[in-house]
Amino acid sequence: DSGVTQTPKHLITATGQRVTLRCSPRSGDLSVYWYQQSLDQGLQFLIQYYNGEERAKGNILERFSAQQFPDLHSELNLSSLELGDSALYFCASSLIDNPNSPLHFGNGTRLTVT
Amino acid sequence: GENVEQHPSTLSVQEGDSAVIKCTYSDSASNYFPWYKQELGKGPQLIIDIRSNVGEKKDQRIAVTLNKTAKHFSLHITETQPEDSAVYFCAASYNNNDMRFGAGTRLTVKP
Repeated sequence: DSGVTQTPKHLITATGQRVTLRCSPRSGDLSVYWYQQSLDQGLQFLIQYYNGEERAKGNILERFSAQQFPDLHSELNLSSLELGDSALYFCASSLIDNPNSPLHFGNGTRLTVT
Repeated sequence: GENVEQHPSTLSVQEGDSAVIKCTYSDSASNYFPWYKQELGKGPQLIIDIRSNVGEKKDQRIAVTLNKTAKHFSLHITETQPEDSAVYFCAASYNNNDMRFGAGTRLTVKP
C-alpha cells in the first residue's frame, strides 16, 4: 500500500459531462502529481502541485484543471468530456518539490466516457 | 516527441531466465532514474532507482545500470519468477520540473 488514496475507483459518464477526481497524498507528502494512462499507453504527465501551488504543467488540456487544498488533498476536474478522455488517471505524491525524489502512486481512477 | 524511449514493448522469458529492459532519455540534465512495476489493477510501484552519480545499483534480483554519456539506462532482473510478470516503466527527471516515463514493457514470465 503506497498510502495514496484515490476516489472514486471507477467512473462512467457521458460525453459533455464534468467529473472530479480526488486524491489524498501519502501522509507527510507535500507534492501531488497527476498522470493520465490511456489503454496500453505510458504515463502522461498532466500537472503538479506543491503545498497548494501549481508547480509544473505537462500535456494538460484546457478542459482539465486541478487544485490542491490546504489539507493537501488534490482534485482533478475534467469538463466537456470526450470519448478520448477515457483512461486511467493516477495521482502520485512525493515528500518534496523535486522530480529527483520517488513518486508514490495511488491505484488510479478508471474513467469511461460513453 | 518522447523524452524517454523504452524497449522492448513486450518481453517473454522462461522462469529462471534473465530479463533486460532498456531506456534512453534526451534531457542531459536528467539525474534521477527510477523504475516502476505496475500490476493489473494497481498503480505503478517503485522497485529501484539510480542517481546520476552512480553507474550501477543492485537490490537482490534486480539491478539497474546507467550510462550518462550515452544517455541510456537498463533494468536487469535475474532468476525471473512468475510473480515478476507485470508492466515495467522506466522514468527520468525532466527539465527539473517533472518525471517523464517510458511507454512501458509488458514482461511475461512463463512457468
